[in-house]
Amino acid sequence: EAGVTQFPSHSVIEKGQTVTLRCDPISGHDNLYWYRRVMGKEIKFLLHFVKESKQDESGMPNNRFLAERTGGTYSTLKVQPAELEDSGVYFCASSQETGVVSPLHFGNGTRLTVT
Amino acid sequence: AQTVTQSQPEMSVQEAETVTLSCTYDTSENNYYLFWYKQPPSRQMILVIRQEAYKQQNATENRFSVNFQKAAKSFSLKISDSQLGDTAMYFCAFTLLNFGNEKLTFGTGTRLTIIP
Repeated sequence: EAGVTQFPSHSVIEKGQTVTLRCDPISGHDNLYWYRRVMGKEIKFLLHFVKESKQDESGMPNNRFLAERTGGTYSTLKVQPAELEDSGVYFCASSQETGVVSPLHFGNGTRLTVT
Repeated sequence: AQTVTQSQPEMSVQEAETVTLSCTYDTSENNYYLFWYKQPPSRQMILVIRQEAYKQQNATENRFSVNFQKAAKSFSLKISDSQLGDTAMYFCAFTLLNFGNEKLTFGTGTRLTIIP
C-alpha cells in the first residue's frame, strides 16, 4: 500500500506570501493529523481530522493557519500570510483507528522556509 | 500540560555496540502511552516501540527495548547490536488516553549516528 505522501517536499516563500501544503493519507485511514517541528525544537501537534471533521484543532498557532479535508480524503494546510516563525517541517500522519489502537503512519514532511 | 525531555541532542556509537537514549516526561495522569519514533535521513518517521503505562513489563522489539521507570517518569530506549541502519533521529513521545482524542507530545529528539 502507498504510504502517506506530502507535497511539496520543500517550499521557500517570502514573508507575507501564501503557501498550501498537501497531505494524502493512506487509503482508508479516517484519521489524519498535522504536526510541526520548528528547527531544533520538539514536534508539536497542530490538529486532528476524523474523516472531514476537525476533531481537535487546539494546536493551531493562530488564524493564519487553515486546514481542510474535503471529502475526508486528502488534506491541505494553508498558511496566509506566512511569517518567519512559520518556518519548519510540517508532518502529516494518518491512522486507521483513533486512539492508540493503530499506529500513526507519517509522511516525509514538508520543509517550509519563510524568508 | 505534559512535557517530554530528551537531554541528549546527539550521540554516536560504534557499529555492534549498545546505546541507550534517555527520555523523561512529566504528567500528573496515570493512564498514558509512551513511544519511541525513528526518522532515518530523508525518510519517514516510523514507530520503533511503545509502552502502555499500566504494564510493568518493559516492551521489547527485537534489538530495541525500553527501560520504563514509572515512578521516576523515565523511558529510555536501548538499542543492542547497533547497525548502520539505526542512524536516525529518535523522538520520544507521550500521549494520554483520551477516548480517541489522543495526540502525541514529542521531545526534541536525539540524533544517533552509528559509526562503521
